[in-house]
Amino acid sequence: QSVLTQSPSASGTPGQMVTMSCSGSNSNIGSNYVYWYQLLPGTAPKLLIYKNNQRPSGVPDRFSGSKSGTSASLAISGLRSEDEGDYYCAGWDNSQNGHYVFGTGTRVTVL
Amino acid sequence: QVQLQESGPRLVKSSETLSLTCSVSGASIRTFSWTWVRHSADKGLEWIGRLDDSGRGNYNPSLRSRVFMSLDLSDNKFSLKLRSVTAADTAVYYCARDRTVEGTDSWGHGILVTVS
Repeated sequence: QSVLTQSPSASGTPGQMVTMSCSGSNSNIGSNYVYWYQLLPGTAPKLLIYKNNQRPSGVPDRFSGSKSGTSASLAISGLRSEDEGDYYCAGWDNSQNGHYVFGTGTRVTVL
Repeated sequence: QVQLQESGPRLVKSSETLSLTCSVSGASIRTFSWTWVRHSADKGLEWIGRLDDSGRGNYNPSLRSRVFMSLDLSDNKFSLKLRSVTAADTAVYYCARDRTVEGTDSWGHGILVTVS
């Protein structure tokens, strides 16, 4: 059972914006950076956002991250069919000698 | 550009030890941290553990009693051992480079390991 809880699903039509949430606590999101990973069918996870809102080179600016208190969110603007897949928030948790945790995942469907 | 490739048995018997190796090219394992992550349909992504550039391990508390990770500096590889596996350990296992605050930015293709 993950300590980072995500909205289970999100959907939109091409061109729309979708957002998804990630809820944690003071021992993880509240005191550490948030990361977002994209998992498309048959592919390895891909880092989309690091340090709450930074995009690695090559990630389109359609993807944006934010954090407030013990929650974070990911927004995808200009939704495209190739965005359909699973999205996971993640970050360090200071409990139990410190360890990394992934969220429960959000399934994005492009209608 | 760093590349990672997982290898090892794809079928492991229940109660035995799962052993995987990750071959790294394009970067020295001496200069980064390295991690193992697994994915299954029912659990999603699950962090297994991380090795820093000194070979010190930090493991998922739920797996800590069964996991061991190590570096092979001579072959630029790192490995994962998971003892006493059960069907719940069936998953796609990924190795990856962990750049700490800059995130886990390079991943292997993944290897499906089935526990029978």
